[in-house]
Amino acid sequence: QSVLTQPPSVSEAPRQRVTISCSGSSSNIGNNAVNWYQQFPGKAPKLLIYYDDLLPSGVSGRFSGSKSGTSASLAISGLQSEDEADYYCAAWDDYLNGVVFGGGTKLTVL
Amino acid sequence: QVQLQESGPGLVKPSQTLSLTCTVSGDSISSPYYYWSWIRQPAGKGLEWIGLLYSSGSTNYNPSLKSRVTISGDPSKNQFSLNLNSVTAADTAVYFCARVGLAAAGDNHNWFDAWGQGILVTVSS
Repeated sequence: QSVLTQPPSVSEAPRQRVTISCSGSSSNIGNNAVNWYQQFPGKAPKLLIYYDDLLPSGVSGRFSGSKSGTSASLAISGLQSEDEADYYCAAWDDYLNGVVFGGGTKLTVL
Repeated sequence: QVQLQESGPGLVKPSQTLSLTCTVSGDSISSPYYYWSWIRQPAGKGLEWIGLLYSSGSTNYNPSLKSRVTISGDPSKNQFSLNLNSVTAADTAVYFCARVGLAAAGDNHNWFDAWGQGILVTVSS
C-alpha cells in the first residue's frame, strides 16, 4: 500500500480534460514539493511536473499541477492518444525521511 | 545534457548480493546542486524509492530496505553504485538510477529530473 493515494485508473475522451488526484499527509504533500512522472510501458519515468506546479523544459503546457493542503492534482487538457501512460505522484516524507510515491494511475484516452 | 546508464548482472541468486552501477555523463556526481538516487519497479507494479547519495557522500535509505542496502559513489569514475544483500524473489525488478534536482542545497523539495533507462534484475536460482 502506497503512502500517497492515487486512483488506479482514469479515462476520458480525446480533446477533453482529465485530472488525477494524489492524496497524502502533512509529513509529505503538506510540507514538501509534489512531483509528477509520466511513464510509458517499458520506458523510464519522465519528470512531468515538479515543485507542485512547475513544468520542466520541453513538457507540453497541456499539463499542469496544483496542490492544496495535503492533496495534489495533475491536469491534462486537450487529451491526445499519446497521453496514454501511467502517471505517478511523489514527494519527500519528513516522517519516513525519504521519497514516497503514489501507486500510479493508468490513463486511458477513449 | 546529463545521461545515466545502469549496468550490472541481470540474474542474481537468492541470498546473494545484487550489485549495480550507474555511470553518469554530462554532470558530476560531486556537484553540490544535485543528489543521486536508485528507484526500482517490480513488473506490473509501482515505483519504490531505494535510497539517496548526497553530494557530500552521505546516504539516506528507504527504511524498509535500510538493513540490506548500501549506496556509494566513485567521483573518479563519475559513477554511483547500489548493493542490496540477501536478495529474494521479491527483489526482482527493473532498477533505475536517477539524478535528484533540488530547490535549494540541503532541501527536501527535490525531484528526479533525469533517469537511466533501467535494468531488469531477476532473482532466481
